[in-house]
Amino acid sequence: NAGVTQTPKFRVLKTGQSMTLLCAQDMNHEYMYWYRQDPGMGLRLIHYSVGEGTTAKGEVPDGYNVSRLKKQNFLLGLESAAPSQTSVYFCASSYHPYRVSQPQHFGDGTRLSIL
Amino acid sequence: KQEVTQIPAALSVPEGENLVLNCSFTDSAIYNLQWFRQDPGKGLTSLLLIQSSQREQTSGRLNASLDKSSGRSTLYIAASQPGDSATYLCAARQDNQGGKLIFGQGTELSVKP
Repeated sequence: NAGVTQTPKFRVLKTGQSMTLLCAQDMNHEYMYWYRQDPGMGLRLIHYSVGEGTTAKGEVPDGYNVSRLKKQNFLLGLESAAPSQTSVYFCASSYHPYRVSQPQHFGDGTRLSIL
Repeated sequence: KQEVTQIPAALSVPEGENLVLNCSFTDSAIYNLQWFRQDPGKGLTSLLLIQSSQREQTSGRLNASLDKSSGRSTLYIAASQPGDSATYLCAARQDNQGGKLIFGQGTELSVKP
């Protein structure tokens, strides 16, 4: 059972470089989310999607873009990486929260360092 | 704006002890409250989910309670074991906001043999 798969697991970037984090889920979930986790700050929502072709801003969206071209994939992009974006990034997915009362399922995270 | 707080930030107990982890939230208009476990270097694993209309949920040695009026939830762990050592996070799901979760900062639990 794959669940939620994030790639890559680790990455080191230089300031100003760009990259895309990929999240894939095989549970046919409608909703997908990107969070970042920082010491002392907990998990904070970056962007989320309620279905294919839709995205919405979360709590800390600046500096990130997302796309959901396919239901099973949710991409997080950093156009010009900054040291403040050094963090652990988690992707999660769930059924429509008001259709099925089930928890969000999380991937194992991507550890990103910006030098 | 919803704020979720977990106290204490860290807790160390001897094996076999019963313990309670606390979670408080400022806005009682929640859809549900979830408890997660996070092992070092890993993602989050869902433990229990309590709907806003429920008072508690149980799974094995774990029992979670919810009191919306006071803005509090507790996670009770019975007969703790070293394998329970992890960070425990609670998260509140708000009504009508795309299912977004607002997380507390977590309680790091260490169970000593």
